[in-house]
Amino acid sequence: KNEVEQSPQNLTAQEGEFITINCSYSVGISALHWLQQHPGGGIVSLFMLSSGKKKHGRLIATINIQEKHSSLHITASHPRDSAVYICAAPTGNQFYFGTGTSLTVIP
Amino acid sequence: EAQVTQNPRYLITVTGKKLTVTCSQNMNHEYMSWYRQDPGLGLRQIYYSMNVEVTDKGDVPEGYKVSRKEKRNFPLILESPSPNQTSLYFCASSGDRIFSPLHFGNGTRLTVT
Repeated sequence: KNEVEQSPQNLTAQEGEFITINCSYSVGISALHWLQQHPGGGIVSLFMLSSGKKKHGRLIATINIQEKHSSLHITASHPRDSAVYICAAPTGNQFYFGTGTSLTVIP
Repeated sequence: EAQVTQNPRYLITVTGKKLTVTCSQNMNHEYMSWYRQDPGLGLRQIYYSMNVEVTDKGDVPEGYKVSRKEKRNFPLILESPSPNQTSLYFCASSGDRIFSPLHFGNGTRLTVT
């Protein structure tokens, strides 16, 4: 049983397309994190959100805590957005992670 | 520069030879944690620490030890590594694990033969 589920697992898009990655969780949380992992392996934090919507450049994250669902949107996608996107749910003192969405943006 | 420093980046060892992966942060964070990442399984938490001398098991603690003698350091110890511990390991820290970002080290790719 996975506490955090992501979809899709893999995604290929043409440059300029609007992209949506979904994250659903079964654990009770107060906030959710979105992470980005580039092909070199390093992981960076993109967003932490507890309600509503956050925007950073072309990235937008939304969350509905009651429905236990979050989405990450990328507008006007670019090849440099190619990476693995991971959602993470902190519950108690631990983190539970989705298995990631591998995004490839083709020029 | 605020960072989490993890060493080494790559490590190849043999079954049973004790090893330590170091992790240090310069952000005065109380929360530190270790994860392993395996294909198809994603990131899984090994151990975490809420503060100095306070550590607890995550989801996959078997075969690992940690210590938190100082706030900045959180080493991961494999006393008798086995091939099933071959994985990509990440250390991370956070000022507040829920409402603050996680800062990750660059990862350690461990191969146990």
